[in-house]
Amino acid sequence: DQQVKQNSPSLSVQEGRISILNCDYTNSMFDYFLWYKKYPAEGPTFLISISSIKDKNEDGRFTVFLNKSAKHLSLHIVPSQPGDSAVYFCAARSSNTPLVFGKGTRLSVIA
Amino acid sequence: GAGVSQSPSNKVTEKGKDVELRCDPISGHTALYWYRQSLGQGLEFLIYFQGNSAPDKSGLPSDRFSAERTGGSVSTLTIQRTQQEDSAVYLCASSLGPANEQFFGPGTRLTVL
Repeated sequence: DQQVKQNSPSLSVQEGRISILNCDYTNSMFDYFLWYKKYPAEGPTFLISISSIKDKNEDGRFTVFLNKSAKHLSLHIVPSQPGDSAVYFCAARSSNTPLVFGKGTRLSVIA
Repeated sequence: GAGVSQSPSNKVTEKGKDVELRCDPISGHTALYWYRQSLGQGLEFLIYFQGNSAPDKSGLPSDRFSAERTGGSVSTLTIQRTQQEDSAVYLCASSLGPANEQFFGPGTRLTVL
């Protein structure tokens, strides 16, 4: 029973265009959401997060949107760059509980 | 560097053998987590330590898996009588506390032949 779902295993985007990665969750107790980025042979690294009291958080080229009523969040990367090619994991938690991760979406940014 | 380190980086073992995986968290981080990522799967939570105690062991897949943490620092994950389905990348992460950002190590790739 997956509590965090990333339904697209892969995504290809042209350099300079927008990348949109989607994530759905089922647990209404989740109140904090994160995106991690993972390169091959490395551990995931934190990218951006959002609290359930917000619906948008922006950091440079990266923006995360949260739609609580739909239990949906998305990560927008604009403009996409070849160095953004990686696996992106969505994660969620409720207070003081471990993160629950999705299966990841492999993003390929094509030059 | 003062990041999370894991050893070994790669481990190949025969079915039925025991293996020990080690994690050195960032100094001062009280929370430590073990995850595994099997081929084509996401990050599967295994166990969480706060200090030396493990308030959440719910993710350990069977009684062949155990973990300990000593001195509030280094942790070892032990898999007894390894099976082929144990083959995965085992990732360790640490954080200042359970509500803080987790920093991941590079992982140990375990292959059970």
